[in-house]
Parts: sequence; structure tokens; C-alpha cells
Amino acid sequence: DAKTTQPTSMDCAEGRAANLPCNHSTISGNEYVYWYRQIHSQGPQYIIHGLKNNETNEMASLIITEDRKSSTLILPHATLRDTAVYYCIVRVANFGNEKLTFGTGTRLTIIP
Amino acid sequence: DTGVSQNPRHKITKRGQNVTFRCDPISEHNRLYWYRQTLGQGPEFLTYFQNEAQLEKSRLLSDRFSAERPKGSFSTLEIQRTEQGDSAMYLCASSLEAVLGNTIYFGEGSWLTVV
Repeated sequence: DAKTTQPTSMDCAEGRAANLPCNHSTISGNEYVYWYRQIHSQGPQYIIHGLKNNETNEMASLIITEDRKSSTLILPHATLRDTAVYYCIVRVANFGNEKLTFGTGTRLTIIP
Repeated sequence: DTGVSQNPRHKITKRGQNVTFRCDPISEHNRLYWYRQTLGQGPEFLTYFQNEAQLEKSRLLSDRFSAERPKGSFSTLEIQRTEQGDSAMYLCASSLEAVLGNTIYFGEGSWLTVV
């Protein structure tokens, strides 16, 4: 699976949009971009994933560049409960290669 | 609650003892995964099952570790002769097969402290 590069940490003011970048310059055409987050001492929580098109759900939006070499996770109105480590993961979309490979993620801190 | 369930949530054991963790996946999910996470690191893949078949094992899964999923439902992860380096959070996850771009859902983890 392609490797990803994320900033180690970021701060965002409560109520503002949090924009978390991820570089995946070696991504292949059949690889999805997944985002998970992990709040302290809890298991990873799925946020969103996409292949080519931008995606939105009740938690976040995922913007993937046209060349697919980078993406941005957007939390539209950050709250204190969004403080967590956010993982950007690239995963091959074929059967037989099922696992997620985590990096060290971005530690997002929401400032009151 | 219909999520992935793990127990016990916390376990303290003496070095050399055996420990076993149990995972109940989301109903009808036929894929089940085990991960390990140490402080400051992201989760590391250990092994995964499709139904009762163990399809992949990481090099991290030494011979002191064994995972089973006998009936294709719940799974157990046993660590024999525990060492202090085994102290970590053990995460279980599940997903539905045969869906490209499927989602893997994680449980809350089982914390192991070896003293």
C-alpha cells in the first residue's frame, strides 16, 4: 500500500473548520483513501473514505485532488470532542489485501 | 450495542502468565482482524480471519501468540508466557467481505499490562 505523509500536529479553534492534509504521492489507481480517528484510549473510529470523487457524510468531507496525490479531511465545525489523532490510510481495493496500515497520524487539538 | 465488542477491557498480569482476549465482531461480518497498539504509535496489524480461516499473519505474531475463530463468529487472542514488551492495547476489528472499498470497524480495545 502507498505510504502517506501527515503533519505531526495541528491546532484549530472551536467552531472553525479543521482542514487536515495528507500526501499520498505514490497512490495507485486502485487504492482508496481512508480516514480514521482515535480519541485517547479508545479504538479507531471510521470517518470517511473515497477513491476519486470528493465525499461527504455526517462527520466530515473528503477532498481528493484530481491527480489523487493528496487529500484533505474537513471537519466543518470543530468541537472539543474532535480532539484526537487522525489517520490517513491508503488501502488497495482488491480482495485478498484487506488490512489497513496505520502511520502515526496527525494529533489535532481543538482550542476553546 | 451492535459494534465490535472486546473483553476484558483491561488486564494486568504477571510476567510469564497466559492471557486471553475475546472479540465479538459485528453480526454478519465475516472478516475479523487483530491489531496491537503501543503508546505513541498507530495500530499494527497482527492477523485476520475470513470466517474461521486465518488468512494472514504478521511477523509481529510470534509463536507465543495464537488467534482462533473456531466457528467463524467470535475470536480469541491468546498470549502465552507474557513478557513486559507485550504490554499494549489489543484491538479487534471486523468488516464485510466482498465489498470493494468496504469499511473496517474497530472495537474499544483490550489493554494489557504485564508487570
